[in-house]
Amino acid sequence: AAGVIQSPRHLIKEKRETATLKCYPIPRHDTVYWYQQGPGQDPQFLISFYEKMQSDKGSIPDRFSAQQFSDYHSELNMSSLELGDSALYFCASSPGGNGEQYFGPGTRLTVT
Amino acid sequence: AQSVAQPEDQVNVAEGNPLTVKCTYSVSGNPYLFWYVQYPNRGLQFLLKYITGDNLVKGSYGFEAEFNKSQTSFHLKKPSALVSDSALYFCAVRDSGRRALTFGSGTRLQVQP
Repeated sequence: AAGVIQSPRHLIKEKRETATLKCYPIPRHDTVYWYQQGPGQDPQFLISFYEKMQSDKGSIPDRFSAQQFSDYHSELNMSSLELGDSALYFCASSPGGNGEQYFGPGTRLTVT
Repeated sequence: AQSVAQPEDQVNVAEGNPLTVKCTYSVSGNPYLFWYVQYPNRGLQFLLKYITGDNLVKGSYGFEAEFNKSQTSFHLKKPSALVSDSALYFCAVRDSGRRALTFGSGTRLQVQP
């Protein structure tokens, strides 16, 4: 069965650089979520999209932005990167309001 | 606001013995409860969910969870642990709708051969 695809899987950036993370949800899933998991931490919700509109917002810094495109893939744009942004970034998709969220393998971002 | 507590950082159990990983929650309205498992350097894998219905929910890999409304708990259980069950387990909750999950701090399960 198709799963959530995230690219790249690993990314190394320097402080103050920008990064773009991509997420391709499971086909026919209408909602996409972004989470950040710091080392030894639980995943923290950043932002979500339903039918290409932002549906919920969590602890996403102002330096970050995201959008969902017409083909339902989503991109998380991160600017002015800081050392503390180093984390595993997960994308998840769900088929509806009551559905479980299926997580991608994550993108490991390292900021040096 | 919704929250989840996993009181144990680590649970150790011998292979073949039953295991329990504890979770309590707080949410306004009816809870939607989930368990996920995370292996090293991997994404979160869905195990099971409670939305409504029977309090005992069966999931993947022989896991089950018991919903207890009066104790606001959703403990994960398995009758006979396997070494391959060793991983990080997260309990999560959300209220109704297309809402984000709030995760507990995670419990590391170590199954000894």
